Amino acid sequence: EADIYQTPRYLVIGTGKKITLECSQTMGHDKMYWYQQDPGMELHLIHYSYGVNSTEKGDLSSESTVSRIRTEHFPLTLESARPSHTSQYLCASSEEAGNYGYTFGSGTRLTVV
Amino acid sequence: ELKVEQNPLFLSMQEGKNYTIYCNYSTTSDRLYWYRQDPGKSLESLFVLLSNGAVKQEGRLMASLDTKARLSTLHITAAVHDLSATYFCAVEANFGNEKLTFGTGTRLTIIP
Repeated sequence: EADIYQTPRYLVIGTGKKITLECSQTMGHDKMYWYQQDPGMELHLIHYSYGVNSTEKGDLSSESTVSRIRTEHFPLTLESARPSHTSQYLCASSEEAGNYGYTFGSGTRLTVV
Repeated sequence: ELKVEQNPLFLSMQEGKNYTIYCNYSTTSDRLYWYRQDPGKSLESLFVLLSNGAVKQEGRLMASLDTKARLSTLHITAAVHDLSATYFCAVEANFGNEKLTFGTGTRLTIIP
């Protein structure tokens, strides 16, 4: 079944640790996105990619980085986690967003202590 | 900069009642999307509206788009408890770049 997967689902980590949030999709979509969402709040675009070797920063400044070496994989990395990074991170993909919109993963809820 | 505003932000309504959520946006766009989010969950696509006058219906929910007024509505008919969730509208910033800007969300609570 075509889908988009995020791991881990929940992560509690200490300040200063390096973390990578995984996002993979099996739909062959070229376009992928990372959004950050605080509980009950709106979504903010932090990174996006239009294909392999293409990455761009989104509207909300983020200390995270992303890579897109394979079409299906779009990981997000924080080199040194801080409590201000505590949030939910949602990955999405689209083929033709204008026609079908985005498909979202289940999200990673990150807590930095 | 594209701004997307929803109102109300919070809505508590009784089962069986009708209500409308509004989504206004600040720049020209022909593409608007509605999503549903349950607490602690991800976003589920509800409607894709791609032209002026577009109307889509699914069960007790109906969405419409007026691109001239830069307004979309999500109408709830005879609400039931299962519709309790947060509803987001999202607008494509510039035609063809496919980045979505999300509204603030409307947290809907249906009271039995």
